[in-house]
Amino acid sequence: DAGVTQSPTHLIKTRGQQVTLRCSPISGHKSVSWYQQVLGQGPQFIFQYYEKEERGRGNFPDRFSARQFPNYSSELNVNALLLGDSALYLCASSFPLRGAVTNEQFFGPGTRLTVL
Amino acid sequence: AQSVSQHNHHVILSEAASLELGCNYSYGGTVNLFWYVQYPGQHLQLLLKYFSGDPLVKGIKGFEAEFIKSKFSFNLRKPSVQWSDTAEYFCAVGHASGGSYIPTFGRGTSLIVHP
Repeated sequence: DAGVTQSPTHLIKTRGQQVTLRCSPISGHKSVSWYQQVLGQGPQFIFQYYEKEERGRGNFPDRFSARQFPNYSSELNVNALLLGDSALYLCASSFPLRGAVTNEQFFGPGTRLTVL
Repeated sequence: AQSVSQHNHHVILSEAASLELGCNYSYGGTVNLFWYVQYPGQHLQLLLKYFSGDPLVKGIKGFEAEFIKSKFSFNLRKPSVQWSDTAEYFCAVGHASGGSYIPTFGRGTSLIVHP
């Protein structure tokens, strides 16, 4: 079975630009989460979507937005990029346990974003 | 806001030594607890999880963790480590808040096992 896939794998942008990152969950998984991981730190939660609705939001500015499509894939958008947005962006999918979204998450390889 | 503390940032052991990695969290309500591992060049993957029931949880590759509610802790243990256990280990805590689900990860512990 294919795992969580993310595209692109690497991306270089300049300050002020906008970026869109994509994620395809494991087949059958209806929940997708996005994380930002900077070097030397753990993943920091950005968003969680379940059945195309936002179910959780971390402490990130409004420049960060996301959406989930009917096929459960997801996009993360970041506007007005700052140098500090340089990080590994992880997507994780999960199969909700009895309707909840607190089950284990399966992570993708991530997209490495560099902002110059 | 909830926080997760992993006290050991870097651990170096020899093969066959015992391992214990600490994890403490701050949220006082019902939580789900996880340990994830990231081997060099690989994705984050689940080692073990605790939702309810027996507070001693067994995971893959001989790892186990104990949930001690009174101490807000979920420490990871392995009686005898192997060179292949060299990896980054992350403790994670999830809780529901106002209809939303909030997962929080610790900063990770880098484990190096010498053969």
